[in-house]
Amino acid sequence: KQEVTQIPAALSVPEGENLVLNCSFTDSAIYNLQWFRQDPGKGLTSLLLIQSSQREQTSGRLNASLDKSSGRSTLYIAASQPGDSATYLCAVTDNNDMRFGAGTRLTVKP
Amino acid sequence: GAVVSQHPSWVICKSGTSVKIECRSLDFQATTMFWYRQFPKQSLMLMATSNEGSKATYEQGVEKDKFLINHASLTLSTLTVTSAHPEDSSFYICSARDPYTGTEGGPLHFGNGTRLTVT
Repeated sequence: KQEVTQIPAALSVPEGENLVLNCSFTDSAIYNLQWFRQDPGKGLTSLLLIQSSQREQTSGRLNASLDKSSGRSTLYIAASQPGDSATYLCAVTDNNDMRFGAGTRLTVKP
Repeated sequence: GAVVSQHPSWVICKSGTSVKIECRSLDFQATTMFWYRQFPKQSLMLMATSNEGSKATYEQGVEKDKFLINHASLTLSTLTVTSAHPEDSSFYICSARDPYTGTEGGPLHFGNGTRLTVT
């Protein structure tokens, strides 16, 4: 059974700092990996989707990488802003099923 | 872009009553929709996979008689929490896969969630 782990569980950084969020998964036979943002009490906003054949995806200040063989993905946020404060979830899709990590709760202090 | 609408966004009900949550795909047809629940400060847990025109597939430990799922059309799936109890209070989120942009490898589109409080 696929297990998804995110480290750290919580992270607090000053504004302007670059940061990395980590996601690992136990079964490398995935179709894709997706990073989401969730604000308190809200649904999910998709940030980046990496197909299993891809190594990375970029959108603005966000860069996500995927190393399928080692079961790892990172989400890099450049020049963090207070508006980036949220919980970041990674999820892997395998056999048409999606499994989520527990999330990293990010706080960016002004 | 593709949008999934979930309704209601929040609901408060009394213990013993039933609550229906709707999940609609607004500009695409979804043969498969997924239902998740999320407890405070925890991740999303898949409850069931809703298949249009057939029975839903429930995850282990999810009571199918308590969480009734109906996927009667290609744009609508409903989750009914029957005889709700306070322990059913949670955040419920649905998602749908756009078959034209997503084969098994495509992205899912999520609703904004429904916060259920059972008193």
